[in-house]
Amino acid sequence: AQTVTQSQPEMSVQEAETVTLSCTYDTSESDYYLFWYKQPPSRQMILVIRQEAYKQQNATENRFSVNFQKAAKSFSLKISDSQLGDAAMYFCASPLGAGGGADGLTFGKGTHLIIQP
Amino acid sequence: DAGVIQSPRHEVTEMGQEVTLRCKPISGHDYLFWYRQTMMRGLELLIYFNNNVPIDDSGMPEDRFSAKMPNASFSTLKIQPSEPRDSAVYFCASSFGRTSGANVLTFGAGSRLTVL
Repeated sequence: AQTVTQSQPEMSVQEAETVTLSCTYDTSESDYYLFWYKQPPSRQMILVIRQEAYKQQNATENRFSVNFQKAAKSFSLKISDSQLGDAAMYFCASPLGAGGGADGLTFGKGTHLIIQP
Repeated sequence: DAGVIQSPRHEVTEMGQEVTLRCKPISGHDYLFWYRQTMMRGLELLIYFNNNVPIDDSGMPEDRFSAKMPNASFSTLKIQPSEPRDSAVYFCASSFGRTSGANVLTFGAGSRLTVL
């Protein structure tokens, strides 16, 4: 079974600073996507960023970027210039099966990100 | 599009009662997923549908749980009879398969179920 591990239950960062959330995953597939979702207190799951495994270039979405290390099966999320609105649970996710996500996603246990004003 | 719509947002019921959670996926999406979120177990996939057909229900915890998708715009997750350990947030998500190669799941706001 595919597994996703987030080793940091909670992280705290000062507003305007940079924080990196860690994620490792396990898959036997050669081509796949990886995702980071954000869950604010409203509990809505929101897609933050995704990475295609066959692309060597790390994905970037404004202040959010990833550090994808395919050989190490590591997929960390970097948030630059942290803002109060970034406070949330962050979940790393990988496809459950070989369908690239068509079979659903498996999620890590999440990292609770606190932004200190 | 209004996104994935779930109802009710909150449900409080007593043990033994039947609970029905509802989901309207995004129009045009051909995959629908039901997830359960608890503190202990995190997010778990319960069942998913493709073109209204259940594909994998191996995550459904017990026979007390059932899910249907009678058409492309509606799905239900039913628990009968409900038990306190079913208390959780239940999410519905939909996606459009295999276009860009990634099935990006769009989630509803979730239904928080409390069974007393």
